[in-house]
Amino acid sequence: NAGVTQTPKFRVLKTGQSMTLLCAQDMNHEYMYWYRQDPGMGLRLIHYSVGEGTTAKGEVPDGYNVSRLKKQNFLLGLESAAPSQTSVYFCASTGGNQPQHFGDGTRLSIL
Amino acid sequence: GQNIDQPTEMTATEGAIVQINCTYQTSGFNGLFWYQQHAGEAPTFLSYNVLDGLEEKGRFSSFLSRSKGYSYLLLKELQMKDSASYLCAVRDGEAAGNKLTFGGGTRVLVKP
Repeated sequence: NAGVTQTPKFRVLKTGQSMTLLCAQDMNHEYMYWYRQDPGMGLRLIHYSVGEGTTAKGEVPDGYNVSRLKKQNFLLGLESAAPSQTSVYFCASTGGNQPQHFGDGTRLSIL
Repeated sequence: GQNIDQPTEMTATEGAIVQINCTYQTSGFNGLFWYQQHAGEAPTFLSYNVLDGLEEKGRFSSFLSRSKGYSYLLLKELQMKDSASYLCAVRDGEAAGNKLTFGGGTRVLVKP
């Protein structure tokens, strides 16, 4: 049972480039979340989804877009990367009244 | 909105006890979670409180007082492997997406 899988694990981008981070879960969870974590800080919610075909903004959504076309996948897009988006990105999922399960993270550097 | 405070850093000796406090002011409450995060790794679930009182899981215990907006995580018989960050998080209700709002995390350093 893989749980929550994030790809890629590491990436370096140049300012202005675009990319998509993929999160896949095999637990049939309804709820999925994207967070960012900056040095010395806790996790901040970017966007989330309460089910297939739905998305909603979190605390820090600017500069990011998401899609949940399939229940098991939650994609996070950066249309035009900026140095301020250098961070570690975590995806998480839950079935509802349960703890969130986290992926291993994607370390993204934008030069 | 949600506001969650916890100390930035704590140091303790192997074999000792450490208590990590967390205070919160939230517009919605559907449970408080504690996660452990080792450097460079993902957060892993430790403990959950939704009602007032103490929850015990082996060497780890967590306490909640909803009226005071207060929780603590108690780590007993500290081991070197307990050196990590501990994240306090408050959950919104299901209607708000079961979202978690995290505190900044408390880095615990266990010394021999």
